[in-house]
Amino acid sequence: ILNVEQSPQSLHVQEGDSTNFTCSFPSSNFYALHWYRWETAKSPEALFVMTLNGDEKKKGRISATLNTKEGYSYLYIKGSQPEDSATYLCAFVRRAGGTSYGKLTFGQGTILTVHP
Amino acid sequence: NAGVTQTPKFQVLKTGQSMTLQCAQDMNHEYMSWYRQDPGMGLRLIHYSVGAGITDQGEVPNGYNVSRSTTEDFPLRLLSAAPSQTSVYFCASSYRDRGPEAFFGQGTRLTVV
Repeated sequence: ILNVEQSPQSLHVQEGDSTNFTCSFPSSNFYALHWYRWETAKSPEALFVMTLNGDEKKKGRISATLNTKEGYSYLYIKGSQPEDSATYLCAFVRRAGGTSYGKLTFGQGTILTVHP
Repeated sequence: NAGVTQTPKFQVLKTGQSMTLQCAQDMNHEYMSWYRQDPGMGLRLIHYSVGAGITDQGEVPNGYNVSRSTTEDFPLRLLSAAPSQTSVYFCASSYRDRGPEAFFGQGTRLTVV
């Protein structure tokens, strides 16, 4: 079983605060790292798919970085808004025989609550 | 474009009953998978398929059966429901490529009494 860990488990911030979470994953046999946003009563939706060491991705106020050598990724939210409240999941894809079949191993998620 | 469609959304079963959760996708994705979501456990992989006729076990396969007769459909069967299978189930699909994003269904909330 692959060990994918996210921290913190939950986070409460005020509107306008910037925040960040961490995803730790195995540094060997890396293939890809995904970030998903999961709102209550909805399905997870992909934010980023990161494949190269040093990757930085950005979508509006949300950005992510990737360090495959040390096995971690950070997700940043700048100027948090109440609508950013959700669970943020990371998922690790392990290289398997030179190809990947899209098999994801998820972390437990970080629950973000942004208070107005 | 419907994406990934799961049915039913809610289900209550008695211990020992069997049922099938349906999952269909219209994006011609090779890869399909089933997850269960339990409090504090994140999403755990039950079974997955890399194409029609090919399935394999995930992290928590016991008590579940799958088959993939077509690219579009990937049903999950509970053979004899147990209270431990009370959970929220998600189906997902993606292209079989370099770490592609997964598209999720709406989820099925299953309660076994």
